[in-house]
Amino acid sequence: AQSVAQPEDQVNVAEGNPLTVKCTYSVSGNPYLFWYVQYPNRGLQFLLKYITGDNLVKGSYGFEAEFNKSQTSFHLKKPSALVSDSALYFCAVRDTNSNYQLIWGAGTKLIIKP
Amino acid sequence: EAQVTQNPRYLITVTGKKLTVTCSQNMNHEYMSWYRQDPGLGLRQIYYSMNVEVTDKGDVPEGYKVSRKEKRNFPLILESPSPNQTSLYFCASSFTGINQPQHFGDGTRLSIL
Repeated sequence: AQSVAQPEDQVNVAEGNPLTVKCTYSVSGNPYLFWYVQYPNRGLQFLLKYITGDNLVKGSYGFEAEFNKSQTSFHLKKPSALVSDSALYFCAVRDTNSNYQLIWGAGTKLIIKP
Repeated sequence: EAQVTQNPRYLITVTGKKLTVTCSQNMNHEYMSWYRQDPGLGLRQIYYSMNVEVTDKGDVPEGYKVSRKEKRNFPLILESPSPNQTSLYFCASSFTGINQPQHFGDGTRLSIL
């Protein structure tokens, strides 16, 4: 079965330090990958996507993600964390077996401490 | 402003009392979808619609109904709500295409007593 895993329920980072939120996937065929962010009491907002091309994808709010085909990973990164980056982050992949609907990870809570 | 609007934002109701959560988008998107979000489970798709008059079941459709009579609206209907449908619900829309990101409403928190 196709799936997405976010192995960390929570990630704690000090402000100014680099951050990484991990995502691994399992799909048949080409992966189409997305990251979304959810702030409290709000809907999800699109951050970035990988469809094809460069393995390093740049997105909103200074975030980037690295696609690694051999490790089937799509980790979200930012060089210098801000307190305002604290939120819930979701990774998602298109399900090539189910009309390309999105399969979602369980989410990772990112806490940036001042 | 481009947006997906859900109503109500919060609702507490009782088992068996029919309810409808409305969803409307103003971006002329063909695709719309309903999700429920539960702690530790991420988002699970309830129903989706690729275009007007076309709807399909997602992963957890039991106990829900939808309709897509107009492009902009995609209401979620709970004919006989039960406590296990207590959850946070999101409506999303997008243009069709595998590279298109989804736009989400701000959510509807339903409590079924």
